[in-house]
Amino acid sequence: AQSVAQPEDQVNVAEGNPLTVKCTYSVSGNPYLFWYVQYPNRGLQFLLKYITGDNLVKGSYGFEAEFNKSQTSFHLKKPSALVSDSALYFCAVRELGFKTIFGAGTRLFVKA
Amino acid sequence: KAGVTQTPRYLIKTRGQQVTLSCSPISGHRSVSWYQQTPGQGLQFLFEYFSETQRNKGNFPGRFSGRQFSNSRSEMNVSTLELGDSALYLCASSLRQPQETQYFGPGTRLLVL
Repeated sequence: AQSVAQPEDQVNVAEGNPLTVKCTYSVSGNPYLFWYVQYPNRGLQFLLKYITGDNLVKGSYGFEAEFNKSQTSFHLKKPSALVSDSALYFCAVRELGFKTIFGAGTRLFVKA
Repeated sequence: KAGVTQTPRYLIKTRGQQVTLSCSPISGHRSVSWYQQTPGQGLQFLFEYFSETQRNKGNFPGRFSGRQFSNSRSEMNVSTLELGDSALYLCASSLRQPQETQYFGPGTRLLVL
């Protein structure tokens, strides 16, 4: 069965420091992987996706993610965190059958 | 381009009632998916429609149903509401293929008393 794991409920980082939010997946076949961010009382906003090609994917707001097939990981990264990055982050995998499976979410706190 | 819109934004219902939520996708998008978000279960897939046909559904009881109209607008219905149906219901639209990005609406927050 397809699954997505975000092993950290919460990540704390100081403003200006690099941040990483971890995601591992289990799918059959080639995965379509996505990262979304959710601010309080809002829907999800798309950050970036991996379909095929370069393992390093660049997305919105300075975020990037590295696809690692051997480790089945798709970690979200940003070189320098901002306080405004504080939010709930979701990793997701979309199946060929159009079902999207989300991770449990990781809450990011960026301290000034 | 206007984003995904969902109506109503907030709803309060009592147990046993039914509710209908509406979603208007981004212009040109023909795929609409629905998700339930709760603190305990996280984000769970309900169903996905394309050109008025349900292409996939999640593991929810038959009380949860949906449909899509010829203009791609979608509705979901929950009958015989239970307390556990209290959640944020999110709708997302996309073009056609599974690798295409889904864009989410702001959600409808349903409270069942």
